[in-house]
Amino acid sequence: QQPVQSPQAVILREGEDAVINCSSSKALYSVHWYRQKHGEAPVFLMILLKGGEQKGHEKISASFNEKKQQSSLYLTASQLSYSGTYFCGTKAAGNKLTFGGGTRVLVKP
Amino acid sequence: GAVVSQHPSWVICKSGTSVKIECRSLDFQATTMFWYRQFPKQSLMLMATSNEGSKATYEQGVEKDKFLINHASLTLSTLTVTSAHPEDSSFYICSAPTSGPSSSYNEQFFGPGTRLTVL
Repeated sequence: QQPVQSPQAVILREGEDAVINCSSSKALYSVHWYRQKHGEAPVFLMILLKGGEQKGHEKISASFNEKKQQSSLYLTASQLSYSGTYFCGTKAAGNKLTFGGGTRVLVKP
Repeated sequence: GAVVSQHPSWVICKSGTSVKIECRSLDFQATTMFWYRQFPKQSLMLMATSNEGSKATYEQGVEKDKFLINHASLTLSTLTVTSAHPEDSSFYICSAPTSGPSSSYNEQFFGPGTRLTVL
């Protein structure tokens, strides 16, 4: 089952902050965050593992609440380059990465 | 991060023809690769899991005879869209997790994608 992302879209001014949420009804082993620019493939941002380990970009921060099966991605002091569609992907038991519906982010000057 | 390449980056073909898309892991071995399809302004939908040396596993609703997958080596998986029709026009993206003791905990990287247009 697909994880649920919110909000669907957000518009920011450069320098502002935003939070993107991802929730699942399944017990998760890992949560993966990606950013996709128009016409391009998704780019890996971060993986959050059950147990607390994280791997990813230094400038990206995220959290994973294992009890609630929820993850949040924090866009801090946003830059124009942060614009794009953000997808969370989740892995439950098994190998498959299932994606949420995406959150469109537009950062304006 | 790990590098996954895909070829071609775009293809235009006539209805009824077959198109082959290649996916390669360039700096790591991938016993498993995934094929996704993405329609405009939609999310990525998993089509199938490609396993090196064995048959692919298809998601519900994906025709295995139409989307042929071959995973001939630890670095190459191919997707062939047979008898393509306009409704098959989409963005096809492959992905591979890095190796490790448990794939559920591994980072997964995407190829650049192939945009297929069927006339």
